[in-house]
Amino acid sequence: EAQVTQNPRYLITVTGKKLTVTCSQNMNHEYMSWYRQDPGLGLRQIYYSMNVEVTDKGDVPEGYKVSRKEKRNFPLILESPSPNQTSLYFCASSGGHEQFFGPGTRLTVL
Amino acid sequence: SQQGEEDPQALSIQEGENATMNCSYKTSINNLQWYRQNSGRGLVHLILIRSNEREKHSGRLRVTLDTSKKSSSLLITASRAADTASYFCAAFGGAQKLVFGQGTRLTINP
Repeated sequence: EAQVTQNPRYLITVTGKKLTVTCSQNMNHEYMSWYRQDPGLGLRQIYYSMNVEVTDKGDVPEGYKVSRKEKRNFPLILESPSPNQTSLYFCASSGGHEQFFGPGTRLTVL
Repeated sequence: SQQGEEDPQALSIQEGENATMNCSYKTSINNLQWYRQNSGRGLVHLILIRSNEREKHSGRLRVTLDTSKKSSSLLITASRAADTASYFCAAFGGAQKLVFGQGTRLTINP
């Protein structure tokens, strides 16, 4: 089944404790992206990757890092999480114009 | 970022009625896409309309696009309880970048 998977689905952590949210797709898509969704603000792009080893900032990259060492994986790294990064995070991939989204990761930073 | 705006923010109708949602965007586009999100879950692509198209149909969905007004509408005919969800428009302006609106929360009452 074609899909985008994210782990973990839920995470509660404390300020400053590094964390990684993994994202994997099995559709051989070159493009992958991370979004955060907050009430009243819709989806905002954090980082995106056009291909392996090619990443670029989206609209809200501060406080986040990404890497794209393999085509299928695009992890999101929070080196020192802060409470304002509490949000619902989505990974997406695309082989054209339509994007396929993962199920989301609900992150709470205390 | 130049996010789109959706109107209304929330819509509640009776089952069987038609639901219309509107979207405005700010940038020039290659295409305009509509996505659906069930509560807290990942977005699912519904339909894409290219910038040189004015109307497109897919099952009970009808999308219009007016590039002169930078606006689009999504019509869901003969609504069902299962259509209850949030609906987002997303403007595709090239470089694989999708700019999402804030969404319309649609409730279908049985």
